[in-house]
Amino acid sequence: RKEVEQDPGPFNVPEGATVAFNCTYSNSASQSFFWYRQDCRKEPKLLMSVYSSGNEDGRFTAQLNRASQYISLLIRDSKLSDSATYLCVVISPSGNTGKLIFGQGTTLQVKP
Amino acid sequence: EPEVTQTPSHQVTQMGQEVILRCVPISNHLYFYWYRQILGQKVEFLVSFYNNEISEKSEIFDDQFSVERPDGSNFTLKIRSTKLEDSAMYFCASSERGRTSGYGSYNEQFFGPGTRLTVL
Repeated sequence: RKEVEQDPGPFNVPEGATVAFNCTYSNSASQSFFWYRQDCRKEPKLLMSVYSSGNEDGRFTAQLNRASQYISLLIRDSKLSDSATYLCVVISPSGNTGKLIFGQGTTLQVKP
Repeated sequence: EPEVTQTPSHQVTQMGQEVILRCVPISNHLYFYWYRQILGQKVEFLVSFYNNEISEKSEIFDDQFSVERPDGSNFTLKIRSTKLEDSAMYFCASSERGRTSGYGSYNEQFFGPGTRLTVL
């Protein structure tokens, strides 16, 4: 089983749509979870951390379900500029260097 | 705003040649990382570096790879004898601290723009 698994998509949605991405992780000892955004051929950039209680940042909402080892990202009112690949990321529970474990990414294409 | 820089942006080399990829982490950061991303695949951890030594490395990081912080500023990744399958985007990252700060908070890793390595 992959350490972090995502549906690669692509998700093609019209502007203004609401879209949700899901992610599962295999190691139940994992404690820290994130969504990163990666534009084509660019570096990953932190979008938001994912907290147990769920958290919201503007149009973006992240949820964590520890029992199901499941993380989600909801984007409301999609903009053209949201088109990118969204990476589900987990910090490895082993060691203390904060090694990041990435999912394959889910590609979002927002169309006018 | 401070940022991680990497040079070169694109490196083309012949199979069997040595390459050195360079990174300048953010100045007050203490933890340094290399990741790679083969085209169309996920970002993979290679190595972490702290206090002038390797903290952790992945199975990918075999004897052909080495890292160094030669002058307190640059952080380099050397591949001794490149193979075709080393062709990838290599990202350097740095963070102020490791996994936790003692308060359990995450110390964000800031990524450089990457070096695209093409091995012919």
